[in-house]
Formats: sequence, structure tokens, C-alpha cells
Amino acid sequence: GNSVTQMEGPVTLSEEAFLTINCTYTATGYPSLFWYVQYPGEGLQLLLKATKADDKGSNKGFEATYRKETTSFHLEKGSVQVSDSAVYFCALIPGTGANNLFFGTGTRLTVIP
Amino acid sequence: ETGVTQTPRHLVMGMTNKKSLKCEQHLGHNAMYWYKQSAKKPLELMFVYSLEERVENNSVPSRFSPECPNSSHLFLHLHTLQPEDSALYLCASSLAGNEGTQYFGPGTRLLVL
Repeated sequence: GNSVTQMEGPVTLSEEAFLTINCTYTATGYPSLFWYVQYPGEGLQLLLKATKADDKGSNKGFEATYRKETTSFHLEKGSVQVSDSAVYFCALIPGTGANNLFFGTGTRLTVIP
Repeated sequence: ETGVTQTPRHLVMGMTNKKSLKCEQHLGHNAMYWYKQSAKKPLELMFVYSLEERVENNSVPSRFSPECPNSSHLFLHLHTLQPEDSALYLCASSLAGNEGTQYFGPGTRLLVL
């Protein structure tokens, strides 16, 4: 089946710290992988994506590399800011012709000054 | 307005009420989705419409009834809901197809008393 597992959190970091949020997946077919972010009181926004093995998605200083050998898509940022405080969701589209997103449970990040 | 909009943003209803949630997208997309977001659970896909036809119904109770009159509008009609239906209901849209990135609205926060 299709599923996404991500570290539960919450994660609390000081400003300028390094961030890693782990995400692993199982999928039928060759999935596309996504990170979405949800700021307080808002809907989900696409942060970055990767559509094939070894692709690196990047946006706003965040990066994630599609690792087929470890079925992972870990999110990283070298120096977090208070404004990065949000809930981060890892997700996949299976690649079997369906357009359905499968989400992880989300990881809440709080960055303190 | 731009993007994906949802109304109302907040809704409180009794178990015997009938209400409707509205979603509108201004992105020229041809697929629309309803998701349910409950605390500490992954986002649950409820309904998918592609080219105005329902293509997915993930065993959602019949007290939820979707309607997609055209590619820009999506409704979720609610009747005789239960307290466990209290959640954030998110609408999304995309271009139909395997890797269409989904764009989300801000959600309707529903409380069933």
C-alpha cells in the first residue's frame, strides 16, 4: 500500500539551528514526493517537491532529496527562523495513475528566539 | 480573489442541522478535493472530482454529500453530523493527472455539538 511515516515531534529549536525532519514512505509504483507546510490558522502550502529518484527539491532555504534506496525524503534547513514555526507534512502521490495525496501525520516545529 | 477560497471559515452546528461548505478555486484547475484534518491523524482524503466527475469516495459516511457543479466550485453538504465529525475540512485543487500539485484553501473549522 501507500503510506508516509514522519517523525512525530513536536520539535523545538533555537533560531539559526539546523533542522531535520525525517520522512520515509512506502508506495506502489514510482511516487512523487512533497513537503507541505501549514502556518497557524491557514491551509497547507506546497513547500517543495521531487518527482524522481535523486531529485532535490528546494524552496525558502529548505531542501529534501528523493532517496529511492532508503525510501526517504528528509526535510532540512541550515538555519531556521522564528517565522518557520509551523506544521510540516510529508506526502506522496503514488505514481500509479491516481492523483491522490497520502500524508504523514505532520511535525510541529517551534523556533524560539 | 486568488488561489483557493473556502467559506465559512468557522462553523458550529447541532447534530440535527443541515449546512454546506463552499470551496472556490481561481487557478484554472480541473480537479478538486475534500480532506478532513483531525488532531493527531493524517489528513484523510474524502472526495475527489476530476473534470467535474467524482472519481474517489473513500468510504465516507453518507451524512457527507459532495457536489461539484463546475470545475471552479465544490460543495460539501452536511446533515445529521456526529460530534466526532468536528475537524478542519480542507479543500484543494489541481490539474488532473499524475503529478498535479495540489493547492489548498485555508479550511473550514467545524464544531458539531
